[in-house]
Amino acid sequence: EVQLVESGGGLVQPGGSLRLSCAASGFTFSSFSMNWVRQAPGKGLHWVSYITSDSVITHYADSVTGRFTISRDNAKNALYLQMNSLRDDDTGIYYCASRSAPFRHWGQGTLVTVSS
Amino acid sequence: EVVMTQSPATLSVSPGERVTLSCRASQSISTNLAWYQQKPGQAPRLLISEVSTRATGIPARFTGSGSETEFTLSIDSLQSEDFGVYYCQQYNDWPPLTFGGGTKVQIK
Repeated sequence: EVQLVESGGGLVQPGGSLRLSCAASGFTFSSFSMNWVRQAPGKGLHWVSYITSDSVITHYADSVTGRFTISRDNAKNALYLQMNSLRDDDTGIYYCASRSAPFRHWGQGTLVTVSS
Repeated sequence: EVVMTQSPATLSVSPGERVTLSCRASQSISTNLAWYQQKPGQAPRLLISEVSTRATGIPARFTGSGSETEFTLSIDSLQSEDFGVYYCQQYNDWPPLTFGGGTKVQIK
């Protein structure tokens, strides 16, 4: 059974940093690309970032380019999202989602709150 | 960027009714369209990919159709567990991957 478990969320002040993690199991993590998707409170889904299985290619939403960095450690079956210069509108639940779209597997998400 | 527009924003329906949700793309996306269902407090769940291919375990009462820029998700004989928010997503022209704003299906 595929499992994706996010962690690392929390309360951070504007301008601060957080590193999210996603622990993957139940599939050959090193063979598949991965994504992060954000959902602001009471709002819809917003794709954030993508990384290929070998980390060669990464993509970002315009809203996070230059501030967020996606990475992975295939030896640890782990996906990461380093978030710097956080803004109020980065607040939301961050989901990791496996493979290229469409996203067949999602984690339960980790809540990031950016507030002073 | 491909803009996905869903309508209506909210649907109030009774169990047993047939429901049709719409999704429009700002440009042709061929058949690279998916539908997701999200219930309160839960992660989204993939329902349909490639316009009309149901994901594993999705009941046959969920039917997707359409092409190019106009797409629909139909739910026959709505069950109590079908209430929630439905999102469409295009994966034809990216980055960015884009979702529609969602349609909330609620009990009348």
